[in-house]
Amino acid sequence: AQTVTQSQPEMSVQEAETVTLSCTYDTSENNYYLFWYKQPPSRQMILVIRQEAYKQQNATENRFSVNFQKAAKSFSLKISDSQLGDTAMYFCAFMKQVAGNQFYFGTGTSLTVIP
Amino acid sequence: NAGVTQTPKFRVLKTGQSMTLLCAQDMNHEYMYWYRQDPGMGLRLIHYSVGEGTTAKGEVPDGYNVSRLKKQNFLLGLESAAPSQTSVYFCASSYDGLAGIRDEQFFGPGTRLTVL
Repeated sequence: AQTVTQSQPEMSVQEAETVTLSCTYDTSENNYYLFWYKQPPSRQMILVIRQEAYKQQNATENRFSVNFQKAAKSFSLKISDSQLGDTAMYFCAFMKQVAGNQFYFGTGTSLTVIP
Repeated sequence: NAGVTQTPKFRVLKTGQSMTLLCAQDMNHEYMYWYRQDPGMGLRLIHYSVGEGTTAKGEVPDGYNVSRLKKQNFLLGLESAAPSQTSVYFCASSYDGLAGIRDEQFFGPGTRLTVL
């Protein structure tokens, strides 16, 4: 079974500062995807960023970027220029490329952006 | 394009009652999923489906049944609700076979279920 670990239950950051959320995973697969999802107080799950394991280049989406270390099985999310709207629960997720595309989620990190 | 919708948004049940949660998607996705979200435990997969007429067990299937009679709908049933099933339930879908996009899961808004 795949496991995804988020070791930081809660974090806070000052508005306009940078914060990094950690995620590690355990798998014997070679081809897979990794994701960060955001869940604001509205409860809606929103995709933040994705990374294909076969790509060496780290994914970026505007203020969001990842540090993907395949050998270390690490997938951290960096949020630059933090905004109040970034306050949310963030979930790291792993997906292996098999029929059904099952996701395995971490337990989440609650991020608070302080004005 | 409504995406993924869930009915109802909130429900309160008494122990032993039954109910069905409905999930619908209009994105022509092949795969559909039911998760439950509990504090400190992330999202855990209950059941999933890789196509119309198919279902499979996920990580925590006990006490739940599912059906996928139509491609766009995925139903989650609780035959005899228990307080341990108090949770927020999310439906998700993925895999547009025509477009070949396999990865991202799209989520519904969630259903908050309380079992007394």
